[in-house]
Amino acid sequence: NAGVTQTPKFQVLKTGQSMTLQCAQDMNHNSMYWYRQDPGMGLRLIYYSASEGTTDKGEVPNGYNVSRLNKREFSLRLESAAPSQTSVYFCASSPGVAGQQYFGPGTRLTVT
Amino acid sequence: QKEVEQDPGPLSVPEGAIVSLNCTYSNSAFQYFMWYRQYSRKGPELLMYTYSSGNKEDGRFTAQVDKSSKYISLFIRDSQPSDSATYLCATENVAYSGAGSYQLTFGKGTKLSVIP
Repeated sequence: NAGVTQTPKFQVLKTGQSMTLQCAQDMNHNSMYWYRQDPGMGLRLIYYSASEGTTDKGEVPNGYNVSRLNKREFSLRLESAAPSQTSVYFCASSPGVAGQQYFGPGTRLTVT
Repeated sequence: QKEVEQDPGPLSVPEGAIVSLNCTYSNSAFQYFMWYRQYSRKGPELLMYTYSSGNKEDGRFTAQVDKSSKYISLFIRDSQPSDSATYLCATENVAYSGAGSYQLTFGKGTKLSVIP
């Protein structure tokens, strides 16, 4: 049981490049989330998916798109990366119990 | 004003000390209160959660919620070097949630170092 896995672990992009961050969970959870974590800003919700086939914006969705490919997988896409998107990105999943979210190990993204 | 405020520290204590970590929140609609622990370069992990006011104890850890003053606390007894991490408080407003998807609001985290 791997829990929540994220790929890649590290990535460096040039401004304007695109990339997709992958997330998968093997806990049969319905809900999945993407956060970014920046120094002094804490964890901020980018997008979430309450169930397969649905996605909704969080606090900071601009510049991102998401796809809930199936119940296991939830990807985050940066279409045209900007230096302001330099951050650590965390994926999480939830069994639908209040307060309980399980996080992946994160992706460290640098945009130059 | 951010909905959840947390002193970022850093906080440094000697091994064996009692640690008190605190958060305040502004929205009286929050009903669930959580503490997550995050080791360096790792993802956060759920440490404790409580519903409404009161205390909850788990080993050396006690979570306390005072809804009248909108104050959340985490106490760590007999602190150990392995407790060195960043501690994030979080709240959940069921009014924001639907279809089993719970949106959490996090504090910025307090970095704790326990010195042997």
